[in-house]
Amino acid sequence: QSALTQPASVSGSPGQSITISCTGTSSDIGTYNYVSWYQQHPGKAPKLIIYVVNNRPSGVSDRFSGSKSGNTASLTISGLQAEDEADYYCNSYASTNIRVFGTGTKVTVL
Amino acid sequence: QVQLQESGPRLVKPSETLSLSCTVSGGSINSYYYSWIRQSAGKGLECIGRIHTSGSTIYNPSLTGRVTMSVDSSKNQLSLKLTSVTAADTAVYYCARLVGDTKFGAFGIWGQGTMVTVSS
Repeated sequence: QSALTQPASVSGSPGQSITISCTGTSSDIGTYNYVSWYQQHPGKAPKLIIYVVNNRPSGVSDRFSGSKSGNTASLTISGLQAEDEADYYCNSYASTNIRVFGTGTKVTVL
Repeated sequence: QVQLQESGPRLVKPSETLSLSCTVSGGSINSYYYSWIRQSAGKGLECIGRIHTSGSTIYNPSLTGRVTMSVDSSKNQLSLKLTSVTAADTAVYYCARLVGDTKFGAFGIWGQGTMVTVSS
């Protein structure tokens, strides 16, 4: 069960939009819509920001949005803010019946 | 609101058994799926397995044979045991509750995590 592939880092200026990709296989993202995204600030536990591809939990900013095409999922952060600087992880249900995480992306706000 | 709190030894010797507990407060532990997740510098985030409060479990194939999860509803606690540990098991260990009453749920509520180091 290999980790999903994410870019190591993505950066953007305040107010810009950035997109983080998450590439899996037909055994995970390609088959299941159970894709979620997590935001993790240093020293903190991950926080769920997107579930079932493009759903936001209550209280999560609508600047976060998700999508999926084939074996690749994406997270878009629009109107980038300083507080968005964090690590982001994708996650998908897999054919092993165990969820698999992405490699993680560090978002830097310039 | 529901909170999860991990507890257990911070230091475990190689070849011994890692044992952690997760206490659920602010609500009943029942009728939900929970997972144990770990995060290490070398391997990032890894789902160790999943348990329902009915007792059904499924483990990550990479850890099957070494891991056991259980639930004690009377104490609102989950437990994790990982045997024959090595330095590769050094990580921050989290417990998390899945969204909704489905095995497909995302990890909606997380504990703060507990750092476990495997060293002699």
